[in-house]
Amino acid sequence: RKEVEQDPGPFNVPEGATVAFNCTYSNSASQSFFWYRQDCRKEPKLLMSVYSSGNEDGRFTAQLNRASQYISLLIRDSKLSDSATYLCAVNLRGYSTLTFGKGTMLLVSP
Amino acid sequence: EAQVTQNPRYLITVTGKKLTVTCSQNMNHEYMSWYRQDPGLGLRQIYYSMNVEVTDKGDVPEGYKVSRKEKRNFPLILESPSPNQTSLYFCASSPGDRGFTDTQYFGPGTRLTVL
Repeated sequence: RKEVEQDPGPFNVPEGATVAFNCTYSNSASQSFFWYRQDCRKEPKLLMSVYSSGNEDGRFTAQLNRASQYISLLIRDSKLSDSATYLCAVNLRGYSTLTFGKGTMLLVSP
Repeated sequence: EAQVTQNPRYLITVTGKKLTVTCSQNMNHEYMSWYRQDPGLGLRQIYYSMNVEVTDKGDVPEGYKVSRKEKRNFPLILESPSPNQTSLYFCASSPGDRGFTDTQYFGPGTRLTVL
């Protein structure tokens, strides 16, 4: 299994659609999980931390499945402004380093 | 305004010519890190620092050096740049001593081309 793996996409969805991204990770001992958003040629920005119980922030819901070693991000009622690349990040090797997936591109169209 | 700044933002240089990319944060963060981002490879960590005078290698440290003499600054040094170091570089910082587990704030990026 690759260390942190994401479907590269792109995911093309119409406005208002619900879209889900998954991210698998290789180290079952990992404790910290994050979703970042990156606009083209810009810096990544933290979207959400992912907690064991799952968490929600407006239209965004993050979930963790430890048994299957993946995290997910659900975006409801997609907006044009959600178009970006979504990166998952996991601490595979301790609390000092963070390993990023390669990102999933989302394109929301009118 | 709380921020991470990087300079230069764009740089074209030639093989072997030493260069330094500066990174500075004004948030009194303890943890700082450098990443490079390449198409198809994603973000990869180069070096990180948990505090002043404490630095350690990330996943791709070869060809790079760093120093952390002051809390706010974490320069990335390429002693002898090569074309395979052409990349988009990001500096990031986090508030506390839990490494990156606090929110990481990224700088705007430095696009480096080595000819």
